[in-house]
Formats: sequence, C-alpha cells, structure tokens
Amino acid sequence: TQLLEQSPQFLSIQEGENLTVYCNSSSVFSSLQWYRQEPGEGPVLLVTVVTGGEVKKLKRLTFQFGDARKDSSLHITAAQPGDTGLYLCAGGGADSWGKLQFGAGTQVVVTP
Amino acid sequence: NAGVTQTPKFQVLKTGQSMTLQCAQDMNHEYMSWYRQDPGMGLRLIHYSVGAGITDQGEVPNGYNVSRSTTEDFPLRLLSAAPSQTSVYFCASSYQVTTNEKLFFGSGTQLSVL
Repeated sequence: TQLLEQSPQFLSIQEGENLTVYCNSSSVFSSLQWYRQEPGEGPVLLVTVVTGGEVKKLKRLTFQFGDARKDSSLHITAAQPGDTGLYLCAGGGADSWGKLQFGAGTQVVVTP
Repeated sequence: NAGVTQTPKFQVLKTGQSMTLQCAQDMNHEYMSWYRQDPGMGLRLIHYSVGAGITDQGEVPNGYNVSRSTTEDFPLRLLSAAPSQTSVYFCASSYQVTTNEKLFFGSGTQLSVL
C-alpha cells in the first residue's frame, strides 16, 4: 500500500522556470524527508521537516510541511540542469519505528 | 570514509538460484535496512535491523532473509530467486533508529532474474 502519493510523476521544464512537486498522504507523519536520486546512485537526503507548517530553504529549493503534517511540497526557483533527478519524499510515523515510507517519486528533467 | 558499500553492482540469476547481496557501512550506524526500487513503486522496505542480532520485517519480506552478526554488515539473501525479484536493491543505514534521522544509501545492486 502506497501511503505517500507524489505528483506529478514526471516534469520536464526549461532552465530558468519554476516547478513544484507535491507529496500527499491520508496519514499523519511525525517527520517528512525529501531525497534526490541520480541515475545509478542511491538517494541523497535534501531536507527533513518535523513541525506542521514548517518551511525550509536550501538555496533555490523551498520545502514546506503541511499544517496537519499530511502533505509536503518542494518548490524549485529558476531551475538549472543540475536539478535534474528523481525527487522522493519519505515519511516517518510515530508508530512506524524504523520503517520509513517512500513515495514513488517525481522525475524532473531540466533542459538548457 | 567509504559510507555504505554494496556489492555486486550488477547480477543476473536464473530462476531458483540463490545469492547474497552484500552491504557494509563504516560509520558505526545502529540502523541498517534493505529497500527494493521498482518503476512506479518507489522504494519499498524489505527488512531492517536496529542493531547487531536484531532484525525485523518490512513491507515486502517474502523471499528474502537477513542477519546482522556485526554492526558493520547486513547481507540480504535470496534463497530461490524468482523473476518477480528483478529490481534494484538499496542498502541504507542511519546513526539512530528514529524516522527523522538521515538515511545514507549505497549505490545499489541491479538484479535480473531470468
């Protein structure tokens, strides 16, 4: 059962454009993480959000955790080809000790 | 500092064969886990361990065995490979067990079962 739904599944944009990726669930999570994965490699953590309504910025990337801690978004401003990758959200629940749930991912392609 | 090391990088098996995917970490992490990644399915947890001698099942444990005899190593065993086990396998570790802890991933093993 996929508890975390990511949308869109695929996003292709031109360099300089903005984009938003969404991660939604019917479950409440105690924390939510965003990872980026490049071909042939494992995912690499970008950010962890733990408080409802929390906003974190990482250079041109802005992450938001929903007030109810059921959803999150990732916004990239002025995307660059180096932002190309598979973006995965992962949620941890208070009753899922040791079991991080991953979404299916959003493939982002930024063309020059 | 090598981080999480997985071997082999690629493997082709015939149905019914057995094999072990190796995973080692040099960060003295308590928590280690195995995920499989399939198109459109994201990463699904197979087994995990919260310390040497302690393992537990994840979301998709059938057909896989694990053991954790040392802090560093967490091998994944396929006893009788099936085509449904064709996937990319990732090992991950973290310092603590809490779910907001950063996971460090290996670079994966691409397995094909014919």
